[in-house]
Amino acid sequence: QKEVEQNSGPLSVPEGAIASLNCTYSDRGSQSFFWYRQYSGKSPELIMFIYSNGDKEDGRFTAQLNKASQYVSLLIRDSQPSDSATYLCAVNSWGGGATNKLIFGTGTLLAVQP
Amino acid sequence: DTAVSQTPKYLVTQMGNDKSIKCEQNLGHDTMYWYKQDSKKFLKIMFSYNNKELIINETVPNRFSPKSPDKAHLNLHINSLELGDSAVYFCASSLGTGNNEKLFFGSGTQLSVL
Repeated sequence: QKEVEQNSGPLSVPEGAIASLNCTYSDRGSQSFFWYRQYSGKSPELIMFIYSNGDKEDGRFTAQLNKASQYVSLLIRDSQPSDSATYLCAVNSWGGGATNKLIFGTGTLLAVQP
Repeated sequence: DTAVSQTPKYLVTQMGNDKSIKCEQNLGHDTMYWYKQDSKKFLKIMFSYNNKELIINETVPNRFSPKSPDKAHLNLHINSLELGDSAVYFCASSLGTGNNEKLFFGSGTQLSVL
């Protein structure tokens, strides 16, 4: 089982719609959850982070966390063509060791159609 | 001006050669990382240094040797390059090593081994 799983997509949504990106993780001890956006040929850029169960909103982005289900999601409201990118879910994990590290999923490619 | 900068941006070389990638951050962070992103966009941690001390060393061939001369710099030297080393290598930094640390990435080095 992969440590952080995402549907690779592509997820295609029309402009103005809500895009819903999902992620599951295997380490029950994980405490911090991040969403990075990566445009083609560019580096990952942090767009949201969430530490507590529930929802966290920032502009058009909402992160949702359910630790009991080991599930984290990202909603993008009023999707724009400029939101077209790969969205990487990242989860902190101690992995049984003494050092915390960030584990990434393989990303979901989002395509917003004008 | 750039927060995390790495050079070179592109590296094309023959199998068996030795090459280095350099990274510098001006964010005043204590922790730096090397990540490898393969063709399927999977971003995997390789190494992490905190204040010049190696704290994460994933299962990486010993042909890869990181060096951190000071906490603002982290270099990666690769000996005897193989075809499978072709990937994008990202340097990143964070304030520290806690659960909530947010990573800031460099622009990446695309390594092509022919």
